[in-house]
Amino acid sequence: TQLLEQSPQFLSIQEGENLTVYCNSSSVFSSLQWYRQEPGEGPVLLVTVVTGGEVKKLKRLTFQFGDARKDSSLHITAAQPGDTGLYLCAGDGGSQGNLIFGKGTKLSVKP
Amino acid sequence: EAGVTQSPTHLIKTRGQQATLRCSPISGHTSVYWYQQALGLGLQFLLWYDEGEERNRGNFPPRFSGRQFPNYSSELNVNALELEDSALYLCASSSRRGPFGYTFGSGTRLTVV
Repeated sequence: TQLLEQSPQFLSIQEGENLTVYCNSSSVFSSLQWYRQEPGEGPVLLVTVVTGGEVKKLKRLTFQFGDARKDSSLHITAAQPGDTGLYLCAGDGGSQGNLIFGKGTKLSVKP
Repeated sequence: EAGVTQSPTHLIKTRGQQATLRCSPISGHTSVYWYQQALGLGLQFLLWYDEGEERNRGNFPPRFSGRQFPNYSSELNVNALELEDSALYLCASSSRRGPFGYTFGSGTRLTVV
């Protein structure tokens, strides 16, 4: 069974601080994705990483896929209150056809 | 382009009743996925439909079922509702081409009392 572990589970920081969220597995994934979900809404896709060691940047967000394609990280620079939400990582389940989601990191950025 | 639409937004049912949830995918997307998001448990995979066929199902009892229609819309049926079925039910669609990502709807909040 493929599992994705996210840490930390909760994170509360002040505006302007930096943070990193981790997504780890013992399984290899062909691709990994990050989503952000706000209360009352469905998750929204932020990025897909495919190649081991790949780094992608989305404004103040930096995503990295581990060399062995078993882990990923999300780094936010100078966090803003608008970054508040639930961040989910998801791995391509391969032949299963569906994505496997971690439990998420709930981020709160206080002004 | 219209996104993934789900209906109803909220649904309140009594234990033992049946619930039907509906989902319309993005135009051109043939795959529809259903997930259950209960408090503290993350997104649990329920069902995957593609081209009208059930392709995979998660570790849920048979009272969770569904179907996909010729226009690729889908419905999820939950029979003999139990209190622990209370959750946000999310539908997502994808085109299943390349490293795919999901487009999610806003979900149906099901409350069983």
